[in-house]
Amino acid sequence: GEDVEQSLFLSVREGDSSVINCTYTDSSSTYLYWYKQEPGAGLQLLTYIFSNMDMKQDQRLTVLLNKKDKHLSLRIADTQTGDSAIYFCAGLGGGSYIPTFGRGTSLIVHP
Amino acid sequence: NAGVTQTPKFQVLKTGQSMTLQCAQDMNHNSMYWYRQDPGMGLRLIYYSASEGTTDKGEVPNGYNVSRLNKREFSLRLESAAPSQTSVYFCASSAADRGFGKLFFGSGTQLSVL
Repeated sequence: GEDVEQSLFLSVREGDSSVINCTYTDSSSTYLYWYKQEPGAGLQLLTYIFSNMDMKQDQRLTVLLNKKDKHLSLRIADTQTGDSAIYFCAGLGGGSYIPTFGRGTSLIVHP
Repeated sequence: NAGVTQTPKFQVLKTGQSMTLQCAQDMNHNSMYWYRQDPGMGLRLIYYSASEGTTDKGEVPNGYNVSRLNKREFSLRLESAAPSQTSVYFCASSAADRGFGKLFFGSGTQLSVL
């Protein structure tokens, strides 16, 4: 099955760009997702990318997908303190409808 | 516009006690899930229900049982709670049974077992 890995912590200064990285194992993954979890809350889908795309941009968010290296990244431009949260990478392996989640990256934004 | 509602939000149990976590969704979703979240471990799937009347084990089902009461409701039961079950529990639901696995999550239940 799918296995998803991501680093546990990232610290950035307000106004800088943040880049959160993720690797996955299943080359037949159809969709890859980024979920955001704010303190004391459940996860919310932030953005996603279909496997036949290389990039997706949505306002301050840019998702890059490198299928050859099975690498996914989330770039947040002009990071704000409100972006402080845990970001989960998730992949939907071929033939499955249940995404596999990474362990989550805690993004800490310093003023 | 409630989405996925979980109760209770907090619970403290003694070892050996039983309890049921309740979950309901109002989005007419077919599939429902129970996850637990532990520090450094991410989300681990306990049980899921692809549709009303079906349930299947996930990654960490031991010590838990589930009931898909109807299309809206999916409960998680701890028959004899253990300290290892101290965790934050999330219920989720999704519309698609194939393909696009976009999940909607409840706000979680923080459970402590002493």
